Amino acid sequence: NAGVTQTPKFQVLKTGQSMTLQCAQDMNHEYMSWYRQDPGMGLRLIHYSVGAGITDQGEVPNGYNVSRSTTEDFPLRLLSAAPSQTSVYFCASGTGFGYGYTFGSGTRLTVV
Amino acid sequence: GQSLEQPSEVTAVEGAIVQINCTYQTSGFYGLSWYQQHDGGAPTFLSYNALDGLEETGRFSSFLSRSDSYGYLLLQELQMKDSASYFCALGGSGNTGKLIFGQGTTLQVKP
Repeated sequence: NAGVTQTPKFQVLKTGQSMTLQCAQDMNHEYMSWYRQDPGMGLRLIHYSVGAGITDQGEVPNGYNVSRSTTEDFPLRLLSAAPSQTSVYFCASGTGFGYGYTFGSGTRLTVV
Repeated sequence: GQSLEQPSEVTAVEGAIVQINCTYQTSGFYGLSWYQQHDGGAPTFLSYNALDGLEETGRFSSFLSRSDSYGYLLLQELQMKDSASYFCALGGSGNTGKLIFGQGTTLQVKP
C-alpha cells in the first residue's frame, strides 16, 4: 500500500518557468489538499478538493492551479514560478474533516 | 477566517509530561486534530477530537473544549524521539472541506 506519492522529491526552477507537482493516493480518499511549508510559517493550505471534479482555494492560492479529474490524482501546477514560491510542498489525503490525513513525503522546490 | 495559536517552543526532560496548548478562532469546524513532524519529514497524524473531552492514544492524549475554543495535546513519559514539531489543525474549518494548521510548536526533549 503506497499511501500518498509525490513526485518529484526535489526540483530547481528558473523564474518564469512552469511545472506540475504530481500527487497520487491509493486509499480511495475523497479529500485531497496541497500545502506549502516555509520556516516558521507552519503548513499553509494552497488548494483542496472534496472529490473528483470539485476543487476550492485555500489560504494561499495565488500562482497555483489544481484539477481533480480522478479520485486518485491531484496535481498542482505552478503557472510562472517566482522566488517567493521556493518552499516545501506537501500533498495530503483523508476521509474528511481532518481525521487521519496521510501526507506525502514532500517536494522541495527552489526557484532561482 | 480561521486561525490557530500555539506556543512556538516547549522544552521538557525525558520521562516528564508536557502539554501543548492550542487556541482557535473559526465560524465552525468538525474536529481538532494533532500532527507530529520530525525534521525533514512529513507530518503524521496523532489524535483527533470531534467532541469535547479527552481522547487517549497510548502516551498521547488530546483534549477539546469547544466552549473555550481551546485544545491541548498531552505527551506522557517523554522520550528523546518525541523531539519534533507538533501542529494542531481545524478540520472542516468554516464548515468546508478545509484542514487549517497552526504554526506549530517545536518540542525539545532533554536528557
